[in-house]
Amino acid sequence: AQSVTQLDSQVPVFEEAPVELRCNYSSSVSVYLFWYVQYPNQGLQLLLKYLSGSTLVESINGFEAEFNKSQTSFHLRKPSVHISDTAEYFCAVSEGGSEKLVFGKGTKLTVNP
Amino acid sequence: GAVVSQHPSRVICKSGTSVKIECRSLDFQATTMFWYRQFPKQSLMLMATSNEGSKATYEQGVEKDKFLINHASLTLSTLTVTSAHPEDSSFYICSASRGSYGYTFGSGTRLTVV
Repeated sequence: AQSVTQLDSQVPVFEEAPVELRCNYSSSVSVYLFWYVQYPNQGLQLLLKYLSGSTLVESINGFEAEFNKSQTSFHLRKPSVHISDTAEYFCAVSEGGSEKLVFGKGTKLTVNP
Repeated sequence: GAVVSQHPSRVICKSGTSVKIECRSLDFQATTMFWYRQFPKQSLMLMATSNEGSKATYEQGVEKDKFLINHASLTLSTLTVTSAHPEDSSFYICSASRGSYGYTFGSGTRLTVV
């Protein structure tokens, strides 16, 4: 069965510092990978996704994630964070052909001035 | 872009009563919708998969008779929490599948049972 591990439950950083939020998954078949962001008392918003093709995917607000099949990872990075990036970030996986998403436990990113 | 409207955003109900949560896809048709439950500081747990015109598929451990799901049209799925108890208090989120375009999530419903 597929599972998603987000190793860090909380990541505090200073504004303009780089950040990496880690995500590892386990699956025996091909997968689709997602990062979602959740602001307090709101639903989830898709940040970026990997379905196929280039292993490096980018979002419009400066985040990027790289699919590493050998390490079964999909870490999220941003070279310089803003206060407004403070939120909860969820990594999710769906096995190819399935519509079910399995989520990690989330990483709370706090950007301090 | 695709929008999923979830209503209400917050609801407080008395123990023993039932609460209905609606999830609507506003500008696309969703043959499949999903219902999640999120406990504080935890991840989203899939409760059930809702398919238009057929019975929902519930995840293991989710009580079908307690969490009634209806997906009568391509744009509306409802979750009814029957005979709610304080332990049902949680944040409920729906999402709609858009095929290869991915998933769109509702803004969530905070249910508090007193």
